[in-house]
Amino acid sequence: VQLLESGGGLVQPGGSLRLSCAASGFTFSTYAMTWVRQAPGKGLEWVSTISGTGGSTYYADSVKGRFTISRDNSKSTLYLQMNSLRADDRAIYYCAKENSPLCSGGSCYYLNWGQGTLVTVSS
Amino acid sequence: DIQMTQSPSSLSASVGDRVTITCQASQDITNYLNWYQQKPGKAPKLLIYDASNLETGVPSRFSGSGSGTDFTFTISSLQPEDIATYYCQQYDNLPPWFGGGTKVEIK
Repeated sequence: VQLLESGGGLVQPGGSLRLSCAASGFTFSTYAMTWVRQAPGKGLEWVSTISGTGGSTYYADSVKGRFTISRDNSKSTLYLQMNSLRADDRAIYYCAKENSPLCSGGSCYYLNWGQGTLVTVSS
Repeated sequence: DIQMTQSPSSLSASVGDRVTITCQASQDITNYLNWYQQKPGKAPKLLIYDASNLETGVPSRFSGSGSGTDFTFTISSLQPEDIATYYCQQYDNLPPWFGGGTKVEIK
């Protein structure tokens, strides 16, 4: 299993960025996928989850209405569109593969993680 | 939301020591509690899922226990390569919040 994030960088407050996570080594469409972020020197924060089909999406309150998670199963790629970025969105963003097609509670966990991509929001 | 309180926030122990970390949920989460290890500069890694199940390939010196609201993570004999920050995570329901983390150092 390999997860490779890209798309991070420096953006001004109020700007937009789209992160990608290219997956390989497993049948992408049969697993839910998640974005988790980590601000510099801080702990892990769940951001968003999408089901294997893409039909169900979930967001943390802190990003709801600003971020959009999506996936292209034909390309085995996960996305995170981030709009109206704020200084407190600055973090390393990790994509993670869950253990089932749809996780909204129960025996769910992150089996594999990417190496992360850094997003910096600053003027 | 279910809040996770992890303690201690940091600890220092000698090689060979038994290390214990606790995680308390703000409400009953049955056994839907996971533990991750994050080494400096690296992505997190799943160690234990559903409170007590060791992920494949994880050394047996790592273990987890508990149910309901109180959970424990144990390293039976601390090794130099165990230097890391450890996080619990509840997945009883969304949002699947993490605990604040425990940084483990060698004395």
